[in-house]
Amino acid sequence: GAVVSQHPSWVICKSGTSVKIECRSLDFQATTMFWYRQFPKQSLMLMATSNEGSKATYEQGVEKDKFLINHASLTLSTLTVTSAHPEDSSFYICSANRGQPQHFGDGTRLSIL
Amino acid sequence: GESVGLHLPTLSVQEGDNSIINCAYSNSASDYFIWYKQESGKGPQFIIDIRSNMDKRQGQRVTVLLNKTVKHLSLQIAATQPGDSAVYFCAEAAGGGYNKLIFGAGTRLAVHP
Repeated sequence: GAVVSQHPSWVICKSGTSVKIECRSLDFQATTMFWYRQFPKQSLMLMATSNEGSKATYEQGVEKDKFLINHASLTLSTLTVTSAHPEDSSFYICSANRGQPQHFGDGTRLSIL
Repeated sequence: GESVGLHLPTLSVQEGDNSIINCAYSNSASDYFIWYKQESGKGPQFIIDIRSNMDKRQGQRVTVLLNKTVKHLSLQIAATQPGDSAVYFCAEAAGGGYNKLIFGAGTRLAVHP
């Protein structure tokens, strides 16, 4: 069964709205979670590493003020896309390590109108 | 290495044939490699992994081969089935599988009856 859960699975909202995506580890504690972004017909691009109890580590080119990450507990990390615009429309996927390998959620499709 | 390009290469095979999907990685320091399968609209699903101290590992109908000399990884699927149709990604990590994964560009596998 699934070990990582994402919510919501699909979001459609107006430009300028902030959107929060949740990533939960099921039945295990994850001190580290990862957030990826995937455009159609492309690979997964790592956005940031979410660390429980401390600041997230962002990859080069990812705006930390645009993509806010909060890892407030050992089973929950959230990604907030602030003031979303059409160019932020994408498939956002989180992952967590339950030992090895990394397990992925089923993603959130974000569509900004 | 980093994923580039807008079009995934496609491998077309007949049902029952063996499939070989190749991947080149870029970081000589990578010591953990993993293959994922991604179906449309879903997150990546773990297939098989391998550490750098091995050059071959077998699973159920799948085999991963690692050639560190030329930084090449391959996934072999035996007796390919229609349910194997998906996009396959290799990923690499340094410091074991607990660190961030860097994904390859991906290959679409199309299985024809």
